Amino acid sequence: KQEVTQIPAALSVPEGENLVLNCSFTDSAIYNLQWFRQDPGKGLTSLLLIQSSQREQTSGRLNASLDKSSGRSTLYIAASQPGDSATYLCAVIGEYGNKLVFGAGTILRVKS
Amino acid sequence: NAGVTQTPKFRILKIGQSMTLQCTQDMNHNYMYWYRQDPGMGLKLIYYSVGAGITDKGEVPNGYNVSRSTTEDFPLRLELAAPSQTSVYFCASSYGGDRSNQPQHFGDGTRLSIL
Repeated sequence: KQEVTQIPAALSVPEGENLVLNCSFTDSAIYNLQWFRQDPGKGLTSLLLIQSSQREQTSGRLNASLDKSSGRSTLYIAASQPGDSATYLCAVIGEYGNKLVFGAGTILRVKS
Repeated sequence: NAGVTQTPKFRILKIGQSMTLQCTQDMNHNYMYWYRQDPGMGLKLIYYSVGAGITDKGEVPNGYNVSRSTTEDFPLRLELAAPSQTSVYFCASSYGGDRSNQPQHFGDGTRLSIL
């Protein structure tokens, strides 16, 4: 059964720092991996989707990488801002499964 | 374009009561999903639908029922509320299925407490 783990569970950084959020998954046979952002009291917003054949995706200050063989993904946030404060979740779809499996998320706080 | 709309936003139920969580989307998406999110945990899939009239169980379907009579609406029914169903419930929709590489769009959630 696929399990997704996110480390750290919470992170607090000063404004302007570059930071990395980690996601690991137990079954490397995935179809794609997705990163979401969740603001307090809100639903999830899709940030980046990496297909299994891809190594990375970029959107603005966000860069997500995927290493299928080692079961790892990282979300890199450059020049963090207080507006980046949110919970970040990763999720995978198995190569032979058909539904998203979510990690518990990393709660990020960027201090001004 | 409202996206995915969930009602109510908050609700407190007594044990044994029933209620329906409403979800509607205006993006003409065929695929719709119900998830629950417990504190400190990832989202778990309750039920999903690939189109009007078609529904299927997810990972945690016990205690819930769904129907999909139209493309727009996908209500979730709790028949006999139990404390274990205290959670935040999210509805989502997508243009393609999970293997289409299309992202899911989420509502803002319904926060449900069973006392």
